[in-house]
Amino acid sequence: AQSVTQLDSHVSVSEGTPVLLRCNYSSSYSPSLFWYVQHPNKGLQLLLKYTSAATLVKGINGFEAEFKKSETSFHLTKPSAHMSDAAEYFCVVSDFAGNTGKLIFGQGTTLQVKP
Amino acid sequence: KAGVTQTPRYLIKTRGQQVTLSCSPISGHRSVSWYQQTPGQGLQFLFEYFSETQRNKGNFPGRFSGRQFSNSRSEMNVSTLELGDSALYLCASSLALAGGPDTQYFGPGTRLTVL
Repeated sequence: AQSVTQLDSHVSVSEGTPVLLRCNYSSSYSPSLFWYVQHPNKGLQLLLKYTSAATLVKGINGFEAEFKKSETSFHLTKPSAHMSDAAEYFCVVSDFAGNTGKLIFGQGTTLQVKP
Repeated sequence: KAGVTQTPRYLIKTRGQQVTLSCSPISGHRSVSWYQQTPGQGLQFLFEYFSETQRNKGNFPGRFSGRQFSNSRSEMNVSTLELGDSALYLCASSLALAGGPDTQYFGPGTRLTVL
């Protein structure tokens, strides 16, 4: 069965410094992985997705993630944090079994950006 | 293109009542999935509908049900509401292309409060 573990429930960075949000996954086959962001009182917005085309995936707003099969990791990074990046971030794996649309979410990481 | 819309955005009900939530997917999207988000359990998959058929179901009691119409719009119903049903209910739509999992696009959610 697929699962994801977000290693930090809360990350705090200063504006202009790098962001690293960590995610490990478990999957019995080649996974499809996603990062979503949720701002307060908003729905989920897709940041980026990995579907085996390239291990380094670039997303919106300067975020990127690297798929490392040997480490079963899919960490999210950004070179320089902006105040508007403060939000909840979810690492997600698709429970693909015959085209079923079920996503499995990590517990989320709250990113705090200090001025 | 308009995004996923959900109505109503906020709902207050009392225990024992029932509630119906509505979701209109992105035009052309054929799959609709529903998720429940609570502080304690995080984001959990409820069910997915494709071509008016429930294709996958999460681990929720039978009080939670849904349906999909021929125009891909979907509704979910919760009967005999319990306090623990208070949550943000998110709907997501995808193209449901054959051959692999799709990106799911989320609506803003319906905030249900059960008193």
